[in-house]
Amino acid sequence: GAVVSQHPSRVICKSGTSVKIECRSLDFQATTMFWYRQFPKQSLMLMATSNEGSKATYEQGVEKDKFLINHASLTLSTLTVTSAHPEDSSFYICSARDRLSYEQYFGPGTRLTVT
Amino acid sequence: AQSVAQPEDQVNVAEGNPLTVKCTYSVSGNPYLFWYVQYPNRGLQFLLKYITGDNLVKGSYGFEAEFNKSQTSFHLKKPSALVSDSALYFCAVRVPRDYGGSQGNLIFGKGTKLSVKP
Repeated sequence: GAVVSQHPSRVICKSGTSVKIECRSLDFQATTMFWYRQFPKQSLMLMATSNEGSKATYEQGVEKDKFLINHASLTLSTLTVTSAHPEDSSFYICSARDRLSYEQYFGPGTRLTVT
Repeated sequence: AQSVAQPEDQVNVAEGNPLTVKCTYSVSGNPYLFWYVQYPNRGLQFLLKYITGDNLVKGSYGFEAEFNKSQTSFHLKKPSALVSDSALYFCAVRVPRDYGGSQGNLIFGKGTKLSVKP
């Protein structure tokens, strides 16, 4: 079956530093990838949608200069949290949509803790 | 506005008993409906989906869901619950392209925690 990986699975960083999270579709090509944020005991909140080779579309209220998204290839999208603050601590989940089947597959998530 | 509602924050069931996790939706057009399960500190795992056809959809791990268009519901069910079914369950809907779902992203309910006791 289709697999989406995320790296790292868990990261702890100091306030003010930047963190990059990678999302890869391992056995399919994804023209579209989605980035979600999940707070404890809450649902997934769509942050942005990235299309390969073009700029990401951010949801209302999400700072595009803080959450930099790059989707340079059909199998890789990255989310960089710049100048991280403790309030950015969260569980970040990516999802990739197979360009052929249009099915959407989820990564295992990345737990970010900003101290 | 497009939305998905899961009215129960938590559902408690004894092992071996049937379980139901409720979901209703408010979406224009004929949406695609999904159920996902999430274990602690893990991503989402796909359980099943409804696109068209038979209203009763069978999915992974013995789960099934029934699409009811008149009630705009898509409740998740299992005839006999297992302790290992304890997890967080999310209902989701994909808005059709011709009703504003240009990106095809999923809209999620807030999730229901299922607790199955031995």
